[in-house]
Amino acid sequence: QKEVEQDPGPLSVPEGAIVSLNCTYSNSAFQYFMWYRQYSRKGPELLMYTYSSGNKEDGRFTAQVDKSSKYISLFIRDSQPSDSATYLCAMRPGNTGKLIFGQGTTLQVKP
Amino acid sequence: DAMVIQNPRYQVTQFGKPVTLSCSQTLNHNVMYWYQQKSSQAPKLLFHYYDKDFNNEADTPDNFQSRRPNTSFCFLDIRSPGLGDAAMYLCATSRTSGNTGELFFGEGSRLTVL
Repeated sequence: QKEVEQDPGPLSVPEGAIVSLNCTYSNSAFQYFMWYRQYSRKGPELLMYTYSSGNKEDGRFTAQVDKSSKYISLFIRDSQPSDSATYLCAMRPGNTGKLIFGQGTTLQVKP
Repeated sequence: DAMVIQNPRYQVTQFGKPVTLSCSQTLNHNVMYWYQQKSSQAPKLLFHYYDKDFNNEADTPDNFQSRRPNTSFCFLDIRSPGLGDAAMYLCATSRTSGNTGELFFGEGSRLTVL
């Protein structure tokens, strides 16, 4: 079993839709949870970061962590074509621990 | 702007011909990482440097080596590339104290092996 599981998609939605991206994990020691966005042929860039459980909102993006269920989510409201990318969840047990990535979900937002 | 720069962006080599990929950073971060990312797969950590201390992942093949001559530069050497080594190679940096441990990535070096 992989430490972090993420549905690879691809996920295709119309512009303006609400998008839900999810990851599950098995290591209860994970404390830091991140979402990276990776455009085609580019390196990943940090989109959202959450420590422990709870929600965090940044503009159209909301990150949720449910440690009891070992489940994290990224919601994108009013999705735009420019949101078309691969979204990677990542997590680590401490701020110096090894960062473990999910496989990435490829999202396409159609105009 | 402070950043992580990788060269070359695209590298084509022949089977067995050594390749060196470079990474430089202006962030003055003490930790540098090399990841391998194959199509539709999660980035896989090959090794990282904590300052000058080299940390190799247990499953990183011996074919892969790295050098960090100073804080700003790090190199990935693939001694005898095989077809299975074709991938995107990502360099990343981070600080270790007082932050989230966020990784800052370069744009990657895409390796093709013929």
